[in-house]
Amino acid sequence: QVQLVQSGAEVKKPGSSVRVSCKASGGALNSGGALNSYSISWVRHDPGQGLEWMGEFIPVFGTANYAQTFQGRVAILMDKSTYTVSMDLSSLKSEDTAVYYCTTALFWGSGTRSAFDIWGQGTKVTVSS
Amino acid sequence: DIQMTQSPSSLSASVGDTVTITCRASEGISTYLGWFLVKPGNAPKSLIFAATSLQSGVPSRFSGSGSGTDFTLTISNLQPEDFATYYCQQYSTYPRTFGQGTKVEIK
Repeated sequence: QVQLVQSGAEVKKPGSSVRVSCKASGGALNSGGALNSYSISWVRHDPGQGLEWMGEFIPVFGTANYAQTFQGRVAILMDKSTYTVSMDLSSLKSEDTAVYYCTTALFWGSGTRSAFDIWGQGTKVTVSS
Repeated sequence: DIQMTQSPSSLSASVGDTVTITCRASEGISTYLGWFLVKPGNAPKSLIFAATSLQSGVPSRFSGSGSGTDFTLTISNLQPEDFATYYCQQYSTYPRTFGQGTKVEIK
């Protein structure tokens, strides 16, 4: 059974940066060839604001797409040797306090439209002075 | 960006009831729609993809319908574990966008 295991909770000061990681373990995602069949997105959840898509990484292309809302502040990277995808968010504000999730979707080429399937357990990021 | 609007924002129901949540897209998205369940402290759970298809392991009391701009999630024979917040999400275009959520509470 595929699992996505995320890094632990973070407490950050306004203006700083945070890195949240997501490692695929078990099942089909734990190999280079299989990982090329998925995209990995980051979604954050603030109970007052709901769910918000931040961006995605496409391993087979080595490229990322970002929501305009976060453009310039977010970077999504992948370490293929460890099957770990990381999300860096900079210039943190109190409004960035949320739980951040990674999630997978099948990917079979440009123009793919597929649903989120497997989710990580979530990482609480608190931004406070 | 495509706006997803859910209604109602909250509802109260009893165990055994049937509830329906609607989701409207600001433009046509064919059937590129998913439904998710979120409980406090838990990761989202994927329930439905392609508007009508159940994810593996999801009970058959959950069903989805619709295409284009109007979609519904129906939960039949509501169970105690179903009290949660439900979100729709379109994956037709970027950025992927979610509805604002519908909280299903115990009456």
